[in-house]
Amino acid sequence: EVQLVESGGGLVQPGGSLRLSCGASGFTFSAYWLSWVRQAPGKGLEWVANIHQDGSETYYVDSVRGRFTISRDNAENSVYVQMNSLRAEDTAVYYCARVLVGAKGYAFDIWGQGTMVTVSS
Amino acid sequence: SSELTQDPAVSVALGQTVRITCQGDSLRSYYVSWYQQKPGQAPVVVIYGKNTRPSGIPDRFSGSSSGNTASLTITGAQAEDEADYYCNSRDSSGNHHVVFGGGTKLTVL
Repeated sequence: EVQLVESGGGLVQPGGSLRLSCGASGFTFSAYWLSWVRQAPGKGLEWVANIHQDGSETYYVDSVRGRFTISRDNAENSVYVQMNSLRAEDTAVYYCARVLVGAKGYAFDIWGQGTMVTVSS
Repeated sequence: SSELTQDPAVSVALGQTVRITCQGDSLRSYYVSWYQQKPGQAPVVVIYGKNTRPSGIPDRFSGSSSGNTASLTITGAQAEDEADYYCNSRDSSGNHHVVFGGGTKLTVL
């Protein structure tokens, strides 16, 4: 079965750090771009970051650039996001997602179940 | 960056046809993808690419696009189609940035 499973969420104080992990199974992990997408409580989806199949390229939404770092370990079939200098507005469910990248398209075809991050004192 | 605009809420009578739209400059260059999200669940892609339905998605879901507007059509809406629907595409800048629409809450009456 193709699946993604996130872990590492929790409660953290403003200014703190957290590292989320996402383990993959059921597909050739190294063949796909991966992404993190978040959803604040009661709000819509927001793309956070992307990483190339071999980790050579990464992209971030402006609001997290310089604070978050996406990485991957193809030997471990895992993708990560290191989140530093966390703010209240980073409170959200964080999903990892597999990306289908085409010349004209960009689709998230497999999603994890999400992990909740709460930034609060 | 660019933005994608969706109507916040749409309703449809059971068995009728409904169209959910998504507008944005990036749609002139890139395909849109559509996601269905039910409460407490992760999103599920229902349409991507030119008009591709993943395995397991009913054929009552279809997509179309013209100019800067893309549409998700549900022909013969069912009670289980009540959900939030999101569109997304690549950012119009051409790099690997991604944008989502704000979402449309679909109510099946």
